[in-house]
Amino acid sequence: KQEVTQIPAALSVPEGENLVLNCSFTDSAIYNLQWFRQDPGKGLTSLLLIQSSQREQTSGRLNASLDKSSGRSTLYIAASQPGDSATYLCASQGDFNKFYFGSGTKLNVKP
Amino acid sequence: DGGITQSPKYLFRKEGQNVTLSCEQNLNHDAMYWYRQDPGQGLRLIYYSQIVNDFQKGDIAEGYSVSREKKESFPLTVTSAQKNPTAFYLCASSKGNEQFFGPGTRLTVL
Repeated sequence: KQEVTQIPAALSVPEGENLVLNCSFTDSAIYNLQWFRQDPGKGLTSLLLIQSSQREQTSGRLNASLDKSSGRSTLYIAASQPGDSATYLCASQGDFNKFYFGSGTKLNVKP
Repeated sequence: DGGITQSPKYLFRKEGQNVTLSCEQNLNHDAMYWYRQDPGQGLRLIYYSQIVNDFQKGDIAEGYSVSREKKESFPLTVTSAQKNPTAFYLCASSKGNEQFFGPGTRLTVL
């Protein structure tokens, strides 16, 4: 069974700092890797989707990379802002349209 | 606007009661999912359905039931057999390889 791990569990940074969130998975046979943002008490919002054939995807200040062979993905956030404070989750897609989630990284960006 | 709706937003259940959580999507997605989220934890899959009239158990299906009579709807029933149902429940749908989520229902057992 696919196991997805996110490190660190929590992160606190001053505003303006660049930061990296990590996601690792045990089974490299994935179809894609998706990054989400979750605000307290809310659903998940999709940020970036990386297909298995891709190495990275970018949206604004966000850049996500995927290295299937090493079972790793990273989410890079440039010039962080207080509005970026949220929990970030990654999920891999396996067979039968099943998705496997990490437990998330809770980010706090201090003004 | 296309999206996924869940109702109610908050639900309170007395012990021994069955309750049903609603999930509706107008995205024309084939696959739908129910997840449970406990504080500080990731999402755990309860049930999923890839097409109408078909669904499969996820990792924590005991004490839950679902139906998929229409493409747009995938209701989840939390039965009295679920001993610890207090949690945040999230419904999602996908077409292909990207998942989209509803706003969630918070269920509390009184």
